[in-house]
Amino acid sequence: DAGVIQSPRHEVTEMGQEVTLRCKPISGHNSLFWYRQTMMRGLELLIYFNNNVPIDDSGMPEDRFSAKMPNASFSTLKIQPSEPRDSAVYFCASSFQFEAFFGQGTRLTVV
Amino acid sequence: AQSVTQLGSHVSVSEGALVLLRCNYSSSVPPYLFWYVQYPNQGLQLLLKYTTGATLVKGINGFEAEFKKSETSFHLTKPSAHMSDAAEYFCAVTLSNTGNQFYFGTGTSLTVIP
Repeated sequence: DAGVIQSPRHEVTEMGQEVTLRCKPISGHNSLFWYRQTMMRGLELLIYFNNNVPIDDSGMPEDRFSAKMPNASFSTLKIQPSEPRDSAVYFCASSFQFEAFFGQGTRLTVV
Repeated sequence: AQSVTQLGSHVSVSEGALVLLRCNYSSSVPPYLFWYVQYPNQGLQLLLKYTTGATLVKGINGFEAEFKKSETSFHLTKPSAHMSDAAEYFCAVTLSNTGNQFYFGTGTSLTVIP
């Protein structure tokens, strides 16, 4: 298996633009997580899905953020409109039987 | 509530010296515990995990950790540090009855001095 695949690896966008981050989990994994990592706040859980259903989105910072998982093999995290303070590395992870596997992350820069 | 505390956001050791990274957890049910390593510009990679059974678990790259229930700890050790061990290390806990949410510590940055 290729592991958790995230795209794009890097994204630079202007403030106010919509940004969509994509994630393909490992086949057969039933849980998917979106994390945000910054120097100031460390690794923060934004949302997680179990069997494609959002279970806990309490970590989503505000209404500008939304996440979907239309099927077991794909998830998106959307920021609309984006702001400079959203600049961070966003990680997707999937898990099965109590072990989480992380993607390489998307480095988002909002200018 | 579940949580993880990593003592020391930065640890420096000399090459060849003992590495000790501290992790304490809080969990309302028997925990499953993990250590992850993150190299620059990469995602997190599993080093080792404790679920059940032997409390001393061995992981990749010579690391090991011991689950101590009485101390609610899961410290990571390596007898002899190598330059390639320089990275960010994260301790994490998940619930043994669900495994659906992982709680991460704030991370410890390990520097290895030649």
